[in-house]
Amino acid sequence: GAVVSQHPSWVICKSGTSVKIECRSLDFQATTMFWYRQFPKQSLMLMATSNEGSKATYEQGVEKDKFLINHASLTLSTLTVTSAHPEDSSFYICSAQDAKREGYTFGSGTRLTVV
Amino acid sequence: GEDVEQSLFLSVREGDSSVINCTYTDSSSTYLYWYKQEPGAGLQLLTYIFSNMDMKQDQRLTVLLNKKDKHLSLRIADTQTGDSAIYFCADWGLNTGFQKLVFGTGTRLLVSP
Repeated sequence: GAVVSQHPSWVICKSGTSVKIECRSLDFQATTMFWYRQFPKQSLMLMATSNEGSKATYEQGVEKDKFLINHASLTLSTLTVTSAHPEDSSFYICSAQDAKREGYTFGSGTRLTVV
Repeated sequence: GEDVEQSLFLSVREGDSSVINCTYTDSSSTYLYWYKQEPGAGLQLLTYIFSNMDMKQDQRLTVLLNKKDKHLSLRIADTQTGDSAIYFCADWGLNTGFQKLVFGTGTRLLVSP
């Protein structure tokens, strides 16, 4: 079946540094990938839609300069949290849709802790 | 914006049926999904239903859709302890010209022996 690999699974970084999270579709091509953020005990919130070869579309309230998204190929999208602060600590999940299948496939998520 | 709501918590005994409910506001829904999330993991797609269907059954899972009332439910038959997790419903539709997936808040299902 469709598999989305997300890396790293967890990361701890210092305030002020940047962290890159990768999302790869392993056995299908994804022209569109989605990035979500989940706060503890809350639902997923869509942050942005990543489009291959073009700029990402950000949801209202999401800072474009802070959460940099690059969709360089049909199988890879990256989310870079720049100048991270403790309030950026969260669970980040990507997803992609295989055009040949129904539904979305999610990555396993990345738990980011900023200290 | 579009809204998807779920009850937050459900507790059942092993062997009973579980029914998780979801309401949504999007009138342009095309697909409605049910996802399962185990602690610390990503979402696992359980099942989905197309908006012109009333019911879909997949082994122990039964999805009922009342499009008039914008109400979706997931019934798990013979619930097992391994079914304990958070269940999210999600609505995929065309919202202001842009298709996106909107999630409910999630329902935590606790199955006791």
